[in-house]
Amino acid sequence: AQSVTQLGSHVSVSEGALVLLRCNYSSSVPPYLFWYVQYPNQGLQLLLKYTSAATLVKGINGFEAEFKKSETSFHLTKPSAHMSDAAEYFCAVTMDTGRRALTFGSGTRLQVQP
Amino acid sequence: NAGVTQTPKFRVLKTGQSMTLLCAQDMNHEYMYWYRQDPGMGLRLIHYSVGEGTTAKGEVPDGYNVSRLKKQNFLLGLESAAPSQTSVYFCASSKGLAGGYNEQFFGPGTRLTVL
Repeated sequence: AQSVTQLGSHVSVSEGALVLLRCNYSSSVPPYLFWYVQYPNQGLQLLLKYTSAATLVKGINGFEAEFKKSETSFHLTKPSAHMSDAAEYFCAVTMDTGRRALTFGSGTRLQVQP
Repeated sequence: NAGVTQTPKFRVLKTGQSMTLLCAQDMNHEYMYWYRQDPGMGLRLIHYSVGEGTTAKGEVPDGYNVSRLKKQNFLLGLESAAPSQTSVYFCASSKGLAGGYNEQFFGPGTRLTVL
């Protein structure tokens, strides 16, 4: 079975500060890992994905994430937060190549203070 | 190219009523999925389909039925709505190509309230 844990349901940072959103996964085989962003009253948009190539993955809007197998982590970072980054962020994993459905974490709401 | 669309955007039902949510994609994707999103629980898979005429259960299928009569459409039905089905429902689709992972594209969601 696959699972994802996101530490911290709410994270608040100041504009210009580092953003760090934590994600740990559980997997019996090498996983595919993803970060999605959801703006208010909208669907999910893919930020970035890890599919067993480079362990440091760069995504849209200046976000990046590093796959660390030894720590079973895939934390999302951005060097400098912008007001427009305020949203809910979901980490997701899949290993099920049959149905290829995603297992999502519970989400982290990012608040950016001026 | 509209991507993934969902109808309706909002709906309020009374307990025991039935309804169907429609998902349509114009990307010729093989795989389609229905998820529900509840506060603090992320998205959970209800049902999915790996091709026209096929459906399968996900993590939380009870109280829902689905049909995939046409490749581009995936319908989610609630035969007798319950307050526990109050949620935001998302449809997604992907190419379903063999080997590696195919990105899932999500619709804008349907917000359903059951009174």
